[in-house]
Amino acid sequence: EIVLTQSPATLSLSPGERATLSCRASQSVQMYLAWYQQKPGQAPRLLIYDGSRRATGIPARFSGSWSGTDYTLTISSLEPEDFAVYYCQQLSNWPSFGPGTKLDV
Amino acid sequence: QITLKESGPTLVKPTQTLSLTCTFSGFSLNTRGVGVGWIRQPPGKAPEWLALIYWDDDKRYSSSLQPRISISKDAANNRVGLTMTNMDPVDTATYFCAYRPPYLSRFVFDSWGHGILVTVSS
Repeated sequence: EIVLTQSPATLSLSPGERATLSCRASQSVQMYLAWYQQKPGQAPRLLIYDGSRRATGIPARFSGSWSGTDYTLTISSLEPEDFAVYYCQQLSNWPSFGPGTKLDV
Repeated sequence: QITLKESGPTLVKPTQTLSLTCTFSGFSLNTRGVGVGWIRQPPGKAPEWLALIYWDDDKRYSSSLQPRISISKDAANNRVGLTMTNMDPVDTATYFCAYRPPYLSRFVFDSWGHGILVTVSS
């Protein structure tokens, strides 16, 4: 079973700042990792898949990268609507989600 | 425009069987590569993937829940069902169905329903 660890649990930033969210996998998932954004009372929204590909309609300020088993979601300049919970998801035979990072003001 | 909507009971008793339906529009489950999945999320916790069914009736299940869950499709009526047996209070969660397009990696869902909160309590 592949376990995902996300850090930090909470990230406090202000609009206009750069956000860097981390996700570490317990073993290699290669490029098969996705990122989702979730706001209260809403379903998760796909942001990034295959490690670095932006989903349809996702602004260019969101980017994904990885090195080995460490994955990073970067938001280059935070907009007010970006404050939410972010989950990573590994896409192996038994997909799983990380515990999430709450991005707040 | 793709839409999905979950329906079913919002309250079930322990040991009962839960049956949920996902009704969708904007795509066809007869299209090669298309899939529909179920994901649940306990209050305040991370999502948990449950099951996925493909256009060709191939089915995938969470290894931990496989003995208890079953997914089915009615492509002609744009519906996907999920059945979960022997419900327990720890199964209390919002249950989502979601669309997996053919051009994305498996288990990646880019359209979701609003979800249905299912509470397990006597």
